[in-house]
Amino acid sequence: SAVISQKPSRDICQRGTSLTIQCQVDSQVTMMFWYRQQPGQSLTLIATANQGSEATYESGFVIDKFPISRPNLTFSTLTVSNMSPEDSSIYLCSGRGQGPHYGYTFGSGTRLTVV
Amino acid sequence: RKEVEQDPGPFNVPEGATVAFNCTYSNSASQSFFWYRQDCRKEPKLLMSVYSSGNEDGRFTAQLNRASQYISLLIRDSKLSDSATYLCVVTSGGYQKVTFGTGTKLQVIP
Repeated sequence: SAVISQKPSRDICQRGTSLTIQCQVDSQVTMMFWYRQQPGQSLTLIATANQGSEATYESGFVIDKFPISRPNLTFSTLTVSNMSPEDSSIYLCSGRGQGPHYGYTFGSGTRLTVV
Repeated sequence: RKEVEQDPGPFNVPEGATVAFNCTYSNSASQSFFWYRQDCRKEPKLLMSVYSSGNEDGRFTAQLNRASQYISLLIRDSKLSDSATYLCVVTSGGYQKVTFGTGTKLQVIP
């Protein structure tokens, strides 16, 4: 299965600033996903990023707040814009390989604290 | 009703016990099913895919019941290292829609 390198692993940011999270995959994956996970909660999908097209955002998430880039099949970024303390969370990227039973591999996560 | 539902637990079981988790899903058109394991402060990791005919991997057995729309995970001979949160994952829409359950927390006690 694919290996995903995600960075930064953690950051403490001032409110009103932006942070870009990067995920690099060691093989080509068709679909990449960005999630948010609050402590003790399950994962909430932010958006799906396909190469060469606009990301598809889930209800409650908008492109202006969470712009995503997917320039090729091995790389994606998520930016958390104009941050507020409510954005403090763990952000995870995930990629999926080919085939119906191919699971989803995750990056190690970015622990974001907004102060 | 949530799209994917799991009993949050926690399940506290002694070492060596057998424990089973269920996960129900609401979308009858769901295509693929997985069990993931997430350790505290770590990313989820694939435990096993769930095949229609059921499948086994060592001490772990996964079952799918499409008629009743649930999947199950059975862990035999529990180890302390099995302590984690177990997430069921259901995909649909050509694998573009991925829905995670809320997770079931397992604590194996010495």
